[in-house]
Amino acid sequence: GESVGLHLPTLSVQEGDNSIINCAYSNSASDYFIWYKQESGKGPQFIIDIRSNMDKRQGQRVTVLLNKTVKHLSLQIAATQPGDSAVYFCAENTGNAGNMLTFGGGTRLMVKP
Amino acid sequence: DTEVTQTPKHLVMGMTNKKSLKCEQHMGHRAMYWYKQKAKKPPELMFVYSYEKLSINESVPSRFSPECPNSSLLNLHLHALQPEDSALYLCASSLSGTSVSEQYFGPGTRLTVT
Repeated sequence: GESVGLHLPTLSVQEGDNSIINCAYSNSASDYFIWYKQESGKGPQFIIDIRSNMDKRQGQRVTVLLNKTVKHLSLQIAATQPGDSAVYFCAENTGNAGNMLTFGGGTRLMVKP
Repeated sequence: DTEVTQTPKHLVMGMTNKKSLKCEQHMGHRAMYWYKQKAKKPPELMFVYSYEKLSINESVPSRFSPECPNSSLLNLHLHALQPEDSALYLCASSLSGTSVSEQYFGPGTRLTVT
């Protein structure tokens, strides 16, 4: 049976479409944000980061957008591929206690071929 | 070498056992971290070592004992664990523990306490 709290939000997209994964962060003092990708049985893998003095940062096929007004972070993946299927976590660093990261709850991305 | 390695990959231990998890990096990073991750949950920080000194202990029970023998190695000694301690234990490292920078994660040790 199912248990409360064991469900990850899931985003299901068609291969080749663009994906947008959202994250709400809690601390208005946070000044550094990271997106990680975690595949089954592996550790989190760095995707892209952004500092609070920026609104947008682009990488290869990925873009991170930061809206400090509403404390919202998003990860856009262009031309999503089956290899993008994973759980995606955002993480924030408040900058008050060194390099400590607090992770968001995670979103599972499923890519349909 | 841009890799954090962890051993063992899997560990099954009884509640009376003593075991250790090991983590190694050769990137010249001066901060190393232990995280605990339960199924379908995000990683939760346990300990931070900065310049080989324990700088943060996130109220972790004393049955978990970290050790940093040198700047490349990080151990987590386990003793008298409970079944609820079963989880994926992740090690990470970063260039600095005092300024913000990317943390690189290892593959984790899957721990089962019986």
